[in-house]
Amino acid sequence: AAGVIQSPRHLIKEKRETATLKCYPIPRHDTVYWYQQGPGQDPQFLISFYEKMQSDKGSIPDRFSAQQFSDYHSELNMSSLELGDSALYFCASSLSPDTQYFGPGTRLTVL
Amino acid sequence: SQQGEEDPQALSIQEGENATMNCSYKTSINNLQWYRQNSGRGLVHLILIRSNEREKHSGRLRVTLDTSKKSSSLLITASRAADTASYFCATHSSGSARQLTFGSGTQLTVLP
Repeated sequence: AAGVIQSPRHLIKEKRETATLKCYPIPRHDTVYWYQQGPGQDPQFLISFYEKMQSDKGSIPDRFSAQQFSDYHSELNMSSLELGDSALYFCASSLSPDTQYFGPGTRLTVL
Repeated sequence: SQQGEEDPQALSIQEGENATMNCSYKTSINNLQWYRQNSGRGLVHLILIRSNEREKHSGRLRVTLDTSKKSSSLLITASRAADTASYFCATHSSGSARQLTFGSGTQLTVLP
């Protein structure tokens, strides 16, 4: 079965640079979620989209933005990167509000 | 974590033993889900229990939910070394919000 695809899997950036993470949800899933997991931490919800419209917003910094495109893929844009942004970034998708299926994550390292 | 606390934070058992992990949460929920994460990898969905359910089974997994105490437990029976991972509970709150709120996780180590 198709799973959630995230790219890139690993990303290294310098402070103050910009990063773009991509997520391709499971086909026919109508909701996409972004989570951030710092080292040794639990995942924290950032933002979600339902049918290409932003539906919920969590602890997403103003330096970050996201959108969902007509083909349902989503991108998380991160600007003015800080050392503290180093984390695993997960995308998840669901067809209903119930089970969310997570991608493998993008490991972002900010130097 | 803003929602759930998991207990214990770390658990080490021998292969073949049972492992029990507990999770507490604070708000009203639609459902509670358990996920597994191998070190630095993705989150794998294990089981979902709805707020009107009290117990659910899936293979070697048994989940209970007590909404009056706002708590859940995950039991893994006949554990295997391959069960070594972090286990997180996550709640889907009542209302229109769709996001999951994760607990702090239990690191389970199963020794061969």
